Amino acid sequence: QSALTQPASVSGSPGQSITISCTGTSGDIGAFTYVSWYQQHPGKTPKLMIYEVTNRPSGVSNRFSGSKSGNTASLTISGLQAEDEAVYYCSSYTDRNTRVFGTGTDVTVL
Amino acid sequence: QVYLAESGGGVVQPGRSLRLSCAASGFSFDSSGIHWVRQAPGKGLEWVAVISYDGSNKNYADSVKGRFSISRDNSKNTVQLQMSSLRGADTAVYYCARAPYFGSGFDYWGQGALVTVSS
Repeated sequence: QSALTQPASVSGSPGQSITISCTGTSGDIGAFTYVSWYQQHPGKTPKLMIYEVTNRPSGVSNRFSGSKSGNTASLTISGLQAEDEAVYYCSSYTDRNTRVFGTGTDVTVL
Repeated sequence: QVYLAESGGGVVQPGRSLRLSCAASGFSFDSSGIHWVRQAPGKGLEWVAVISYDGSNKNYADSVKGRFSISRDNSKNTVQLQMSSLRGADTAVYYCARAPYFGSGFDYWGQGALVTVSS
């Protein structure tokens, strides 16, 4: 199972919006609505930010939103803040009853 | 309060075995699937294995299939990952994570256990 494809880095200025893409296949993202996103700060444990494509867990800012089209999922961060600087990973359930993570995207706030 | 804690990490020689444990509390353990996810130093997240809430279903990443085995003891609220024929590429921080229902995201994670495979 190959990793989902994410851009290595994305950057934006404070207050701007950025979007991170996550491309999979018809056997994972394209087949299911079980796509989730995680935020990981250096030296910290990953934190769930979005689940089932569009849902935010309690306590996660509404500046974070998710979507999906075909084999590609996306995470949008609006009103970018310094605290959003982290690595973001997507993940999907697969047709082999496994999970797969994305390659990770380093978000920089300029 | 949901709590997950890994134990059993350490340094092990290539080809040897190691057993990780994940202790859980603060939720209905026997209703949740538990996954193992690893992260090699400076690298991204890699999904490793899953066990269903009742232990009846297990699955593994291709990279560990046939070498790793996952099990659980719902009477003790623990999940184990038995790792054998370890390789340098298995060096990583191993996290256990909860998935409260089928297909759900991993909503709680342990702090991780470092496994170093080296001679």
